[in-house]
Amino acid sequence: EIVLTQSPGTLSLSPGERATLFCRASQSVSSSDLAWYQQKPGQAPRLLIYGASSRATGIPDRISGSGSGTDFTLTISRLEPEDFAVYYCQQYGSSYTFGQGTKLEIK
Amino acid sequence: QVQLVQSGAEVVKPGASVKVSCKASGYTFTSYFMHWVRQAPGQGLEWVGIINPNSGSTSYPQNFQGRVTMTRDTPTSTVYLEVSSLRSEDTAVYYCAKAIHGRLDYWGQGTLVTVSS
Repeated sequence: EIVLTQSPGTLSLSPGERATLFCRASQSVSSSDLAWYQQKPGQAPRLLIYGASSRATGIPDRISGSGSGTDFTLTISRLEPEDFAVYYCQQYGSSYTFGQGTKLEIK
Repeated sequence: QVQLVQSGAEVVKPGASVKVSCKASGYTFTSYFMHWVRQAPGQGLEWVGIINPNSGSTSYPQNFQGRVTMTRDTPTSTVYLEVSSLRSEDTAVYYCAKAIHGRLDYWGQGTLVTVSS
């Protein structure tokens, strides 16, 4: 099973700042089959990024993904108030697993 | 528009079973796999399994094999998740999610299952 480790556990930033979230896989993720989801309290997760770097429908271009192999990054270039949430990475190249999440909170 | 509507919250006793439904609309039901994902209170996301609505074939991770059963009813575009031998650690919100090429692009609203005596 591919284990995904996200860092940091919590990220405290202010609106307008840049956020960088990391996801490391225990073995190479095939074909960059990696997605990122955003979850707000009391809501279902929402797909942000798939294929490591492709934005899902309706996702603004200030949110971007990058990486390959075992190291992946989610970047939010200028934080808006609605971006403060929990973020999960997921790999779907070899069965399916999720990272433990990164909480992005307002500083 | 794509919608996944799940059944309501359940309170069940330890050792019992629960069956949760997820009714799909707005797309061709048999063309996309459906996943189930759960989230214990204050915890992260955990993959529970996948069903092919066209063939009915399923796949579950090892830690759920023997306790989880996924089925579908094609005429009503509904998938079901049954979890048996429930214990307190199974208390969670259970989500169904439509998949496209492995990624989960639409999610149900979630069903809270509480295991309590």
